[in-house]
Amino acid sequence: KQEVTQIPAALSVPEGENLVLNCSFTDSAIYNLQWFRQDPGKGLTSLLLIQSSQREQTSGRLNASLDKSSGRSTLYIAASQPGDSATYLCAVKVDGDDKIIFGKGTRLHILP
Amino acid sequence: DAGITQSPRYKITETGRQVTLMCHQTWSHSYMFWYRQDLGHGLRLIYYSAAADITDKGEVPDGYVVSRSKTENFPLTLESATRSQTSVYFCASQWGQGTNSPLHFGNGTRLTVT
Repeated sequence: KQEVTQIPAALSVPEGENLVLNCSFTDSAIYNLQWFRQDPGKGLTSLLLIQSSQREQTSGRLNASLDKSSGRSTLYIAASQPGDSATYLCAVKVDGDDKIIFGKGTRLHILP
Repeated sequence: DAGITQSPRYKITETGRQVTLMCHQTWSHSYMFWYRQDLGHGLRLIYYSAAADITDKGEVPDGYVVSRSKTENFPLTLESATRSQTSVYFCASQWGQGTNSPLHFGNGTRLTVT
């Protein structure tokens, strides 16, 4: 059974710092991995999707990497801003299955 | 507006009542999903659907019923609500199987069972 873990559960960093959020999964047979952002009281917004054949994806100040063999993904946020404060979740689509399994998220607070 | 909409936004119901949460998407996405989000548990998959008239159980399907007679709608029914079903429910859609397309979420329904 695929399990997705995100550590830490919460993180506070000063504005302007670069930071890394971590995601690990137990079964390396994944089809893709997505990173999402969730603001309080809102739904999830997809940030980046990495296909199983890819090593990384970039969008603006965000860079997501994928290491299937070790069951890990990271989301790198450059030059953090207060507006980046949110909960970040990763999710994996299991290869050969329609299910998409989520981690519990990392709550990020950027200190002005 | 195009997108995925959930209704109602908030719902309070009593134990034992039947309640239906609605989800509508305008993209003609094949796949639709229902998740519940609870503190300490994160997002858990309740049911999903690969196409009209095709549904399948997720991680926590007990106490829930779904149907999908039309591609754009995927209602979730709690047949006899229990307090443990108090949660925030999210509907999501995705273009199709075999494609690396992102998951799109609605804004959720906050359900309280008293």
